[in-house]
Amino acid sequence: DSGVTQTPKHLITATGQRVTLRCSPRSGDLSVYWYQQSLDQGLQFLIQYYNGEERAKGNILERFSAQQFPDLHSELNLSSLELGDSALYFCASSVDRDPQYFGPGTRLLVL
Amino acid sequence: EDKVVQSPLSLVVHEGDTVTLNCSYEVTNFRSLLWYKQEKKAPTFLFMLTSSGIEKKSGRLSSILDKKELFSILNITATQTGDSAIYLCAVEGNTPLVFGKGTRLSVIA
Repeated sequence: DSGVTQTPKHLITATGQRVTLRCSPRSGDLSVYWYQQSLDQGLQFLIQYYNGEERAKGNILERFSAQQFPDLHSELNLSSLELGDSALYFCASSVDRDPQYFGPGTRLLVL
Repeated sequence: EDKVVQSPLSLVVHEGDTVTLNCSYEVTNFRSLLWYKQEKKAPTFLFMLTSSGIEKKSGRLSSILDKKELFSILNITATQTGDSAIYLCAVEGNTPLVFGKGTRLSVIA
């Protein structure tokens, strides 16, 4: 157990819908990262927040957004969902530029 | 564009064998290279390497980085069935982490 928690574990929804994934980092970690893992693309970095501020952006679609709250938990919002958005979404956390520790992931299935 | 290439893509060995997994990279402003093990779900952290030539060791696993040749290896000695997993290499540069596709290791009894 890495100490990073993510909810929900599984999510099934329809195309066009919007979902919110939630992440609580390890105690003391200020950075939160979001990743998408699909079979063909592997693990892809989406976005990083550090102490409430966006720090780095990767291959995140405009339909996706994230934020980090004052208590350091983070949410990833996915809207106008498409079939291709079906994937495992991981959150990771670190103190700063340290090893990232990954949560158990949320498996999203868009039908 | 930052890139991480792992080889082989998959490997099947018998218990007790020693395996070497390879990771080569091209990254802007290299900071560190990390190895993760992914079994059923979340990647779990194994090693973080920042300096060339210094071996990191944890039990039967060890890893070393060559910053001149831009590669790293992960060694697993006396493999066990519990070592079966996907091993991911990732580098940190301007992007927090860029991952390779992984090496799928299967250890058979």
